[in-house]
Amino acid sequence: DQQVKQNSPSLSVQEGRISILNCDYTNSMFDYFLWYKKYPAEGPTFLISISSIKDKNEDGRFTVFLNKSAKHLSLHIVPSQPGDSAVYFCAASGRSGSRLTFGEGTQLTVNP
Amino acid sequence: NAGVTQTPKFQVLKTGQSMTLQCAQDMNHEYMSWYRQDPGMGLRLIHYSVGAGITDQGEVPNGYNVSRSTTEDFPLRLLSAAPSQTSVYFCASSYSSGLYGYTFGSGTRLTVV
Repeated sequence: DQQVKQNSPSLSVQEGRISILNCDYTNSMFDYFLWYKKYPAEGPTFLISISSIKDKNEDGRFTVFLNKSAKHLSLHIVPSQPGDSAVYFCAASGRSGSRLTFGEGTQLTVNP
Repeated sequence: NAGVTQTPKFQVLKTGQSMTLQCAQDMNHEYMSWYRQDPGMGLRLIHYSVGAGITDQGEVPNGYNVSRSTTEDFPLRLLSAAPSQTSVYFCASSYSSGLYGYTFGSGTRLTVV
């Protein structure tokens, strides 16, 4: 069963606007949620994380929101830049952080 | 500081052959993992380790073996390659905390014919 799901395979936005990437999960035992960015022919790069005891974490242009009751998290990128065009993966882990479970990924395209 | 180094970057195997994908990290991370990435399926965990001498299975362990004799190295062995193992393989390492995330290598693209 898919414990972490990203329902949108792709998203296209204009430069300067907000990008919102969504992720749903089913396992209420997850303690940490993370977002990764991946360019072609490279490994994923850690972007931002949030603990289950928080509902928001911000780092520059990137903000992650967590809604535990809905088992939903989202990544907001403001303002979006062409260099943000990549595949974004959400991931979740338990308290130890040793096992990461990934979603399928969303291809973000930011048009100039 | 090289981070996570994977070798080789590309490999073609014939069905039934065996091989080892190498992974080394120089960050003194306790946690190490192997993932495979297939189109439309995200990254799936094959095996992981929480320290030298300790390994465990992930979501898709069949056909793969691992060992962790040192903190730095975490090789992945394909016992008898099958076309279904054609994929991109990523090794990753992390501090022992869920908030800091894993650092990934650049991947090994494996084709089994």
